[in-house]
Amino acid sequence: LAKTTQPISMDSYEGQEVNITCSHNNIATNDYITWYQQFPSQGPRFIIQGYKTKVTNEVASLFIPADRKSSTLSLPRVSLSDTAVYYCLVETGGFKTIFGAGTRLFVKA
Amino acid sequence: DTEVTQTPKHLVMGMTNKKSLKCEQHMGHRAMYWYKQKAKKPPELMFVYSYEKLSINESVPSRFSPECPNSSLLNLHLHALQPEDSALYLCASSQSGGGGYSPLHFGNGTRLTVT
Repeated sequence: LAKTTQPISMDSYEGQEVNITCSHNNIATNDYITWYQQFPSQGPRFIIQGYKTKVTNEVASLFIPADRKSSTLSLPRVSLSDTAVYYCLVETGGFKTIFGAGTRLFVKA
Repeated sequence: DTEVTQTPKHLVMGMTNKKSLKCEQHMGHRAMYWYKQKAKKPPELMFVYSYEKLSINESVPSRFSPECPNSSLLNLHLHALQPEDSALYLCASSQSGGGGYSPLHFGNGTRLTVT
């Protein structure tokens, strides 16, 4: 299973764009990259998933360079309610969905 | 609101008690999961059921006993737990029963305290 490395924490201000980068140097050819968001005392919530280049949905964008050794979750114009832990996962296609340490994002007014 | 429902929301039990955690989903998902999460740590995978059969047991102590009575229900039976087992227990489901890349849908967990 590919190991992921993310910043432990990040601070931002309301209205700013936030980019969280995840390193996954030993990602395999068939692996996908998935991001989850978790608020205190709630289960994680799926945000976005991608394989290469760029994926965008109503919540976020995911940028994956050609070598796929890293990925960047981009949250446009964050608000206080985006304060949460964000997890980057490398998915192998089996059932072992393993969470890394995550990034604690704190959005300030 | 979450489509995966876990009960109870909170549970306090003594080390000699037997209790059960329940999880229910009606999305037609064929895989169901138990995770354990300690404070300020990521969720840790415990068990995975696929098509109601146990597919993964991550070397979880036998004092935790999972059960999948049907495709919509998942239980976790608890017996003789230790205080260090106190944690948030999360249930999740995914669409594909054969693995794949289906996102996980999580419940909001049961906060367990062992005294």
